[in-house]
Amino acid sequence: EVQLVASGGDLVQPGGSLRLSCAASGFTFSDHYMHWVRQAPGKGLEWVGRIKNKAESYTTEYAASVKGRFIISGDESKNSLYVQMNSLKTEDTAVYYCARAARYGGTYWVDYWGQGTLVTVSS
Amino acid sequence: DIQLTQSPSFLSASVGDRVTITCRASQGISYYLAWYQQKSGKAPKVLIYAASTLQSGVPSRFSGSGSGTEFTLTISSLQPEDFATYFCQQFNSFPLTFGGGTKVEI
Repeated sequence: EVQLVASGGDLVQPGGSLRLSCAASGFTFSDHYMHWVRQAPGKGLEWVGRIKNKAESYTTEYAASVKGRFIISGDESKNSLYVQMNSLKTEDTAVYYCARAARYGGTYWVDYWGQGTLVTVSS
Repeated sequence: DIQLTQSPSFLSASVGDRVTITCRASQGISYYLAWYQQKSGKAPKVLIYAASTLQSGVPSRFSGSGSGTEFTLTISSLQPEDFATYFCQQFNSFPLTFGGGTKVEI
């Protein structure tokens, strides 16, 4: 059974840093693309970024709103996905979800979501 | 960036109703569209990918159609467990973007 468990959310001051983790199980982590998506309180979904699989050198892409501040990485040995969030702003306050993407018909589509972890940026 | 506009943003319906939600893209995205269902306080769940392919385990009352710039999600007979918010997402190009959501309420 595929499971994604996000953790690391906390209250942090503006300008601070935080690292979120997503523990993956039930599949071979290095075979899949992984995404981070966030949702501000009462708002819609916002894509944060994506990391490709090991075969594609764990290449990353980011939303403009986080590019240069967030870094997505993966650790095959721990079956874990991470996002290092630096220079946090109040507008980064959100529930952060990790999601797995699997290849169907030549494209990697999201097929499983983790449960989310809350990040609050406030003084 | 590709904008996705969902309509309506709010929908009031009854059990047994046929419900259609539209997602319009600001430029052509071929079939690179997915639909998700999100219940309050929960993570989204995948319903449809590649515009019309039903995710494994999703009831057949859900269906998706469209290509290019206009897409629809249809629930053929609304069930009590379908009251939720629905989002579309495009996978055509970065940054990946979501529609604003459609809340389906009783």
